[in-house]
Amino acid sequence: DAMVIQNPRYQVTQFGKPVTLSCSQTLNHNVMYWYQQKSSQAPKLLFHYYDKDFNNEADTPDNFQSRRPNTSFCFLDIRSPGLGDAAMYLCATSPRTGGPDTQYFGPGTRLTVL
Amino acid sequence: GQNIDQPTEMTATEGAIVQINCTYQTSGFNGLFWYQQHAGEAPTFLSYNVLDGLEEKGRFSSFLSRSKGYSYLLLKELQMKDSASYLCAAMDSNYQLIWGAGTKLIIKP
Repeated sequence: DAMVIQNPRYQVTQFGKPVTLSCSQTLNHNVMYWYQQKSSQAPKLLFHYYDKDFNNEADTPDNFQSRRPNTSFCFLDIRSPGLGDAAMYLCATSPRTGGPDTQYFGPGTRLTVL
Repeated sequence: GQNIDQPTEMTATEGAIVQINCTYQTSGFNGLFWYQQHAGEAPTFLSYNVLDGLEEKGRFSSFLSRSKGYSYLLLKELQMKDSASYLCAAMDSNYQLIWGAGTKLIIKP
């Protein structure tokens, strides 16, 4: 089945220790998104890629970086995690047909910062 | 600014009907999405409206009024598995989704 996969599902890191979250998709979608979602809050868009074009949201901290080496994979790097970065990180994809597209989400990675 | 408003929490009884409302303000409008999110899981797509009116899909229906900036999600014959958060998201002129914080729906037997 075509899908969006995120690894790991649960990640524990220490304050200040770099961590990388990964996302892969078999949908062959052009667009990939990274969202941060804290409990009972709306998902907050961090970045999105349209093919290789990287789009950074204005209020995304510099501590967050992203890479998309190919169509299928996208990575979220948190250079120095703080306690406030503990959240669910959601990867999503959409086909970008030139009009409104549905976003399809992976299962998420729950990040704990100790 | 861009904004989505929806109730924080609602409670309903198994077998009943519940309506979850959403109002939105966006720069341009390219449709309104509803997603279901169970606790600790990712959002899953429920519905998309871009024209005024009601779209029915099984037990779930979604309504849109563009002139009022208003949508609702109607859930019929509620089941315990419908306990979840329901996220309203409006798509702006740049095809970006503006998300609400979600409505937590609690179903009681």
